[in-house]
Amino acid sequence: DTAVSQTPKYLVTQMGNDKSIKCEQNLGHDTMYWYKQDSKKFLKIMFSYNNKELIINETVPNRFSPKSPDKAHLNLHINSLELGDSAVYFCASSPRLVGAMNTEAFFGQGTRLTVV
Amino acid sequence: KQEVTQIPAALSVPEGENLVLNCSFTDSAIYNLQWFRQDPGKGLTSLLLIQSSQREQTSGRLNASLDKSSGRSTLYIAASQPGDSATYLCAVYNFNKFYFGSGTKLNVKP
Repeated sequence: DTAVSQTPKYLVTQMGNDKSIKCEQNLGHDTMYWYKQDSKKFLKIMFSYNNKELIINETVPNRFSPKSPDKAHLNLHINSLELGDSAVYFCASSPRLVGAMNTEAFFGQGTRLTVV
Repeated sequence: KQEVTQIPAALSVPEGENLVLNCSFTDSAIYNLQWFRQDPGKGLTSLLLIQSSQREQTSGRLNASLDKSSGRSTLYIAASQPGDSATYLCAVYNFNKFYFGSGTKLNVKP
């Protein structure tokens, strides 16, 4: 069974469109994250949620809106897509956030978004 | 703000060599450090997790060390194999998030 799963794996869309990426974890973790990996392979945090509550919003444009219907799911909706949004987006989860000494992260396989 | 640096950016070695990948971080107040492997077009696979109270962790041919006070970690790979070819990322956890280095791209030649 896949621990952290993202759909779709590939997404090609035109500028100006709105798209969503879904993420689900079956590890029973409290915390989920969205990371963006740019063309230079650098991974940067976008959002983190702890028990459905937004904890971190790392100066991401308002066009990006995460939604966590329950602690096992964290979806990412992107409005008015731009060329610069092309990247690989990774979802991740970890056991818990605050005071967590054993915060091992598990990552999904990534969603490669290409905006044309 | 935490910054993570990995050296070298790329490394090419013949099969069978032992090698060391380096990771340094600027803020020593970390909860833990995690090493990942990323194959081309794939996600991140967790290799080793070192908690802040630990100094090293071992898994098979991999050994990771942590020196919090100096802000350094090393990943030692023994008897490298072509299948070890991948990008290796280190990440430290503090301030409620993981901070990643830019990775070391390893190529092990048969």
